[in-house]
Amino acid sequence: DIQMTQSPSTLSASIGDRVTITCRASQSVSGWLAWYQQKPGKAPKLLIYKASALESGVPSRFSGSGSGTEFTLTISSLQPDDFATYYCQQYNSWFSFGQGTRLEIK
Amino acid sequence: EVQLVESGGGLVQPGGSLRLSCAASGFTFSSYWMHWVRQDPGKGLLWVSRINTDGSDITYADSVKGRFTISRDNAKNTLYLQMNSLRAEDTAVYYCARNTAAAGNWCFDLWGRGTLVTVSS
Repeated sequence: DIQMTQSPSTLSASIGDRVTITCRASQSVSGWLAWYQQKPGKAPKLLIYKASALESGVPSRFSGSGSGTEFTLTISSLQPDDFATYYCQQYNSWFSFGQGTRLEIK
Repeated sequence: EVQLVESGGGLVQPGGSLRLSCAASGFTFSSYWMHWVRQDPGKGLLWVSRINTDGSDITYADSVKGRFTISRDNAKNTLYLQMNSLRAEDTAVYYCARNTAAAGNWCFDLWGRGTLVTVSS
């Protein structure tokens, strides 16, 4: 099984900040990686797929990069609506998720 | 409105059974692969099962293989998960999720709000 590890587990930031979340895979997943946003009591929302493709309707301040075993999700300028938990998911070999990164207001 | 709505969760004793349903609307349900994904506070998100458009291709996570059965009724636009021999570790919120139409990508572009399954005596 491919293990996905996100860092940091919690991130404190302010409105307007640029933030980056990292996701590492225990073995190469090529570019088969997605990012989701989840707010309390809600279902996850797809943000990015195939490592860097922006899902329709997702603001352009979200971007993804990486390949192989290391990936990043970047939010260029934090907005109030962005405070949530973010998960990565690999789909190169079945499906597995990272443990999540909670983005909180500083 | 494009949506998925799960139902059927609840409290069940260890060893018991439960059947979850997921009603789809606002899109052509029969054209999409569908999945079940669960989330518990301790272990995060865990993929459970997937089914192809006509129900002929099904896969399960090892943790539920032999105990859970996924199925679909395209005439009713509904996805199901029959859960038998339930264990405490199956306690979670269960989401149905639609596989993206982006070719070659196995990620989930539409999720329901989830239904809580609690396995406890």
